[in-house]
Amino acid sequence: EIVLTQSPGTLSLSPGERATLSCRASQSVSTYLAWYQQKPGQAPRLLIYDASNRATGIPARFSGSGSGTDFTLSISSLEPEDFAVYYCQQRSNWPLTFGRGTKVEIK
Amino acid sequence: QVQLVESGGGVVQPGRSLRLSCVASGFTFSSYGIHWVRQAPGKGLEWVAVISSDGSNEYYADSVKGRFTISRDNSKNTVYLQMNSLKTEDTAVYYCAKGRAGNYFDPWGQGTLVTVSS
Repeated sequence: EIVLTQSPGTLSLSPGERATLSCRASQSVSTYLAWYQQKPGQAPRLLIYDASNRATGIPARFSGSGSGTDFTLSISSLEPEDFAVYYCQQRSNWPLTFGRGTKVEIK
Repeated sequence: QVQLVESGGGVVQPGRSLRLSCVASGFTFSSYGIHWVRQAPGKGLEWVAVISSDGSNEYYADSVKGRFTISRDNSKNTVYLQMNSLKTEDTAVYYCAKGRAGNYFDPWGQGTLVTVSS
């Protein structure tokens, strides 16, 4: 099973600041990695797929990069609605796995 | 618009069974794989199972293999998750999600809560 390790566990930032979230895979997943956003009481929402492709309707302030084992989700300038938990997920191997999440909270 | 609606959750005793349903609309249902993903209270996301568009292939997480069965009825735009021999650790919100660009999840339903407790 591919283990995805997300860091940091919690990121405390102010609106307008840049957020940089990391996801590291225990073995190469090529670019078969996605990022999801989840707000309290809501289902997750796909943000980025195949490492760097924004899903439909996702603002341009969200960007993804990386390949192999190291990936990054960047939010260029945090909006109030961006404070949430973010998960990475790989589809390279069965079983499909998620990271444990990074919480982006208001500082 | 694309929509998935889960139902069938509730409180069940350990060892008993429960069947969840996921009704889809707004897309050509028979062309897409459908996944179940769960989230224990206060915890992260765990992929559970997937069924291919025509129902010919299924994959399961090790934690549910042999106990859970995923199936679909393309005439009813519905996917099912039959959960047998339930354990307390199966307590979670269960989401169904449309497969996208391979095995990503987009969009998700609103989820249905399953509580396994005596």
